[in-house]
Amino acid sequence: EVQLLESGGGLVQPGGSLRLSCAASGFTFSSYAMSWVRQAPGKGLEWVSAITTSGGTTYYADSVKGRFTISRDNSKNTLYLQLNSLTAEDTALYYCAKYQRYFDYWGQGTLVTVSS
Amino acid sequence: DIVMTQTPLSSPVTLGQPASISCRSSQSLVHSDGNTYLSWLQQRPGQPPRLLIYQVSNRFSGVPDRFSGSGAGTDFTLKISRVEAEDVGVYYCMQATQFPVTFGQGTRLEIK
Repeated sequence: EVQLLESGGGLVQPGGSLRLSCAASGFTFSSYAMSWVRQAPGKGLEWVSAITTSGGTTYYADSVKGRFTISRDNSKNTLYLQLNSLTAEDTALYYCAKYQRYFDYWGQGTLVTVSS
Repeated sequence: DIVMTQTPLSSPVTLGQPASISCRSSQSLVHSDGNTYLSWLQQRPGQPPRLLIYQVSNRFSGVPDRFSGSGAGTDFTLKISRVEAEDVGVYYCMQATQFPVTFGQGTRLEIK
């Protein structure tokens, strides 16, 4: 059974940083691209970032480019998202998702709240 | 960026009746590899999104056959043949033909 378990969310002040993690199991993690998608409270889905199988190529939404960094450790079956220079507009539930030009499996999400 | 526009944004439906959601993209979703990377997701209240349909018309594993997808180019449709109570939620179309991946605004399906 495919499982994706996000962690690392929390309350952070504007300008602060967080590192999100997504532990994957139930599939060959190193064989699949992965992605982060976020959802602000009461809002729709917003794609954030994606990474290829080896981690050699990454993609970002313009809204996070230069502030967020996606990475992965295939030896640990774990996906990461480093969030820097956070603003209130980054407040959202952050999901990790397995990516094959569609998102076939999603985690439950980890909540990031940016507030002073 | 490719803009995805869904209609309607809200759809009250009677149990057992059909429902249809349209999704239009601002440019063709046909990839250079010949595939069309349009998918549909369902998000039930308090739950993460769930994949229903990928590449326009392929039902994902475990998805009931009352869900179907169709379309081509820039115009796509999700149909539910007979709505059940468990279908309540928000439905999103999304494109992954090119980065950035983009989603429609979501269509809220509710029971009359």
